[in-house]
Amino acid sequence: NAGVTQTPKFQVLKTGQSMTLQCAQDMNHNSMYWYRQDPGMGLRLIYYSASEGTTDKGEVPNGYNVSRLNKREFSLRLESAAPSQTSVYFCASSELPLTGELFFGEGSRLTVL
Amino acid sequence: GDSVTQMEGPVTLSEEAFLTINCTYTATGYPSLFWYVQYPGEGLQLLLKATKADDKGSNKGFEATYRKETTSFHLEKGSVQVSDSAVYFCALMFGAGNMLTFGGGTRLMVKP
Repeated sequence: NAGVTQTPKFQVLKTGQSMTLQCAQDMNHNSMYWYRQDPGMGLRLIYYSASEGTTDKGEVPNGYNVSRLNKREFSLRLESAAPSQTSVYFCASSELPLTGELFFGEGSRLTVL
Repeated sequence: GDSVTQMEGPVTLSEEAFLTINCTYTATGYPSLFWYVQYPGEGLQLLLKATKADDKGSNKGFEATYRKETTSFHLEKGSVQVSDSAVYFCALMFGAGNMLTFGGGTRLMVKP
């Protein structure tokens, strides 16, 4: 089972460049999430999509946009990357309503120079 | 707001040692509590959970008891193995359908 698949796994950008992180899940989950992980700060929620066709801001949405393309796919876009966005990004999915178990992808390590 | 505080890492232990990773929370009300584990190069995965006071979650030899009086959910294991080396995250959630709030994570390193 693939579970949650993220691409790319690694990316280096220059300040001001744009990019899109892709995420797909094959578990027929309704909800999908984007988190960023920074040393000592745990995981912080960027955006989430409770169901197909809806998206909502999380704790740290500034500088990001998302698209819930269909039930399987949820992408995260950085329009103008900044060094502060250097982080590891995780996509996750869950059944609705969330009972506490999130299923995570392997992460995407982004470096902005 | 709601928050989760974990002990600073890294925690370095020898194989077969006893493990405790502290977790305390601040919240208005009684959340469900979780431990997630992140093995090197992987995403997080749920390790165990407890949904009400005095509940004990357990999995893979790990245990944690929901202590309402001390607002704590400490993770314990009697005898760690090298394969337990990972980052452990404590988290809380209020009610089904709401968001998880994660702590900062604690890195565990187990040496043979």
